[in-house]
Amino acid sequence: NAGVTQTPKFQVLKTGQSMTLQCAQDMNHNSMYWYRQDPGMGLRLIYYSASEGTTDKGEVPNGYNVSRLNKREFSLRLESAAPSQTSVYFCASSPDRGRSDTQYFGPGTRLTVL
Amino acid sequence: DAKTTQPPSMDCAEGRAANLPCNHSTISGNEYVYWYRQIHSQGPQYIIHGLKNNETNEMASLIITEDRKSSTLILPHATLRDTAVYYCIVRVGNNNDMRFGAGTRLTVKP
Repeated sequence: NAGVTQTPKFQVLKTGQSMTLQCAQDMNHNSMYWYRQDPGMGLRLIYYSASEGTTDKGEVPNGYNVSRLNKREFSLRLESAAPSQTSVYFCASSPDRGRSDTQYFGPGTRLTVL
Repeated sequence: DAKTTQPPSMDCAEGRAANLPCNHSTISGNEYVYWYRQIHSQGPQYIIHGLKNNETNEMASLIITEDRKSSTLILPHATLRDTAVYYCIVRVGNNNDMRFGAGTRLTVKP
């Protein structure tokens, strides 16, 4: 099993450009998540999807949209990138969104917005 | 805000036990304590979690105090590959969000 995969690994955008970050998991998990991590800080939740067909906002959703394409795939879209969105983006999945629920993380996408 | 407090950094000698403390004084009765680590900007890696009882797996042990207001992650024989940032997390809110604080940067030295 590959676990959680993310594409691309690196991306440089100019202010105002748009792009979609892709995430896929092969563990048959119901829940998927997008986090961002700024230098020297912990991860912050952007959006999550508790199950196929549902999405909800996390702690820092502004400037992002998400799509739960199917059970395997959860994409994050930046419609008009801003320098403040320069960060490392991590996707994660978990079997279920309960109190005793372990998340498995992908390797991250390093995004720079100029 | 994260509901946990951890020291910003710690050192440990290779081969010795690493004991990483965490305070979570506002934890509720049904909230689990989770530990993850992040090695050199890779994706976080799950280590262990617990509710009331002490827990042990192949990676570590988790000791939770009786009042549940603090816990300690123990790496019994630290190696250089255990150098990482360790996050203690208590899930918050109705949606059980995982709130990552700044964590503890553990450096294992030869």
